Amino acid sequence: DIQMTQSPSSLSASVGDRVTITCRASQSISSSLNWYRQRSGEAPELLTHAASSLQGGVPSRFSGSGSGTDFTLTISSLQPEDFATYYCQQSYSTPYTFGQGTRLAIK
Amino acid sequence: EVQLVESGGGLVQPGGSLRLSCAASGFTFTSYAMTWVRQAPGKGLEWVSSISGGGETTYYADSVKGRFTISRDNSKKTLYLQMHSLRAEDTASFYCAKYMYSGTYHAFDMWGQGTVVTVSP
Repeated sequence: DIQMTQSPSSLSASVGDRVTITCRASQSISSSLNWYRQRSGEAPELLTHAASSLQGGVPSRFSGSGSGTDFTLTISSLQPEDFATYYCQQSYSTPYTFGQGTRLAIK
Repeated sequence: EVQLVESGGGLVQPGGSLRLSCAASGFTFTSYAMTWVRQAPGKGLEWVSSISGGGETTYYADSVKGRFTISRDNSKKTLYLQMHSLRAEDTASFYCAKYMYSGTYHAFDMWGQGTVVTVSP
């Protein structure tokens, strides 16, 4: 199975800050990497797919990059609704593993 | 509007069975593979199972293989997850989600609100 490791596991930031979350795969997954945001008590929502493609309707402050084993999600200017938990997920091969999550809290 | 509505969750004893359903609307159901993802209380997301649009191909996580069966009724636009031999560690919110395709890549672009399964004596 492909292991997905996110860092950091948690971080604190303020509205307007720029934040970056990283995700590392245990083997190369090409660009088969997706990012999701999950607000408290809600279902996950897709932010980016294929490593760097912004999902329709998602604000442009979100961006994804990377290929192979190392990936990043950047939020250019945090908004109140962005304080949530973020997950990366590989869609390269089953089982489609998720990272452990990064909890983004208000400083 | 794309909508996925799960149902069928509840309290079940260890060793028991449960069938989850996911009613889909707002898209051509047969054209998309579907998936189940679960989340134990306070924990992260775990992929459980996926099924192709026509239902011919299925995939399972090792943790549920042999106990869970994914299926779909395209005439009813409904996805199912039949769960047997349930264990305490199966306690989770179960989400159904729709595949989206981007060239050779795919992701889960629409999710239901989830249904809660609790396995306890």
